[in-house]
Amino acid sequence: DTEVTQTPKHLVMGMTNKKSLKCEQHMGHRAMYWYKQKAKKPPELMFVYSYEKLSINESVPSRFSPECPNSSLLNLHLHALQPEDSALYLCASSQGLAGTYEQYFGPGTRLTVT
Amino acid sequence: GESVGLHLPTLSVQEGDNSIINCAYSNSASDYFIWYKQESGKGPQFIIDIRSNMDKRQGQRVTVLLNKTVKHLSLQIAATQPGDSAVYFCAENTDDKIIFGKGTRLHILP
Repeated sequence: DTEVTQTPKHLVMGMTNKKSLKCEQHMGHRAMYWYKQKAKKPPELMFVYSYEKLSINESVPSRFSPECPNSSLLNLHLHALQPEDSALYLCASSQGLAGTYEQYFGPGTRLTVT
Repeated sequence: GESVGLHLPTLSVQEGDNSIINCAYSNSASDYFIWYKQESGKGPQFIIDIRSNMDKRQGQRVTVLLNKTVKHLSLQIAATQPGDSAVYFCAENTDDKIIFGKGTRLHILP
């Protein structure tokens, strides 16, 4: 199984809502990532987890809160988002940190903030 | 085949011709480079990678060339097919972070 799954596929939320994005992989990978991708732009790294610990936070606003409950799961909790946060949110995983190992990406969650 | 000197946002290639997509990277300390393919509605898909101690690597129908002197990376796709239609991103690893470059949309002409 070389698949990274993400739920939901689409999400529409208001600026006062709280929601969560979920990502799961069963490849035994120990590094997991969140990226944000705006239309016609490259993915931008948000967070990196290595062995279930946050190792990189790319100065992401606190309204985005990542969580890694176990080695297979990665969540992104969303609260008080702004319309400019609307984007495709991609999860990825790799056997180890990305400088050495291939990253596998999920299909993304398309988020619209109204 | 069709080739470009510098990054272009769009490249149109006749089916069956070779495609060459170019990328300039920014950090001379980067030691690992990757090409990704992203089809509409999907996440990026790994195509091929190359480490900084190499200057060429071949896969199935794809070749990556690395020129560290000018910090330039290229992806060559042989005998381009309709299924190759996608956005292609180069990416570099710096300090365990994968940084994506600007993408090139590859259009296949019948």
